[in-house]
Amino acid sequence: DQQVKQNSPSLSVQEGRISILNCDYTNSMFDYFLWYKKYPAEGPTFLISISSIKDKNEDGRFTVFLNKSAKHLSLHIVPSQPGDSAVYFCAASEAAGNKLTFGGGTRVLVKP
Amino acid sequence: KAGVTQTPRYLIKTRGQQVTLSCSPISGHRSVSWYQQTPGQGLQFLFEYFSETQRNKGNFPGRFSGRQFSNSRSEMNVSTLELGDSALYLCASTATSGTSGELFFGEGSRLTVL
Repeated sequence: DQQVKQNSPSLSVQEGRISILNCDYTNSMFDYFLWYKKYPAEGPTFLISISSIKDKNEDGRFTVFLNKSAKHLSLHIVPSQPGDSAVYFCAASEAAGNKLTFGGGTRVLVKP
Repeated sequence: KAGVTQTPRYLIKTRGQQVTLSCSPISGHRSVSWYQQTPGQGLQFLFEYFSETQRNKGNFPGRFSGRQFSNSRSEMNVSTLELGDSALYLCASTATSGTSGELFFGEGSRLTVL
């Protein structure tokens, strides 16, 4: 039972363009959502998060959008840079806990 | 400041053996969580420790266990290893329990079971 799903296993985008990564969840008890980036041979690195009381959070080139009614969130990266090439994981947690449920990841390739 | 440190980084075991993995959290962090990453199942939560107490446990068999010491360092143990236990085991730390998930991960311990 996959509670967090990333339906696109890979994404290829030209440098300077927008990257849009999508994530769907089924557990209505999730109230905090995060995106992590992972390079090969490294642990995941926190990128950006959003609480369920918000619908948008922005940090530099990264913006996360949350649509609670659709149980959907997305990560926008603009402009995309070659250094953004990595695997991106969507994750969710319920209140007052550090237990994260991760999606399967989306591999992003930014072409120069 | 130093990040999360995991040892060993790589190890090879045979079926039936047991393994112990170690994690030193970021200084000052008291919560340590463990995750298993496999190609088929992705990243899955194993357990979380805070102040030497297990706060949360994932859906893994009892062969998987852990503990946390008074200095916040943590170990996880897998007994009677199976081929399917081959995975990257990731440790993550954060300052308190219940901080809604902004975890700092180590580079992982890659376990191969032959």
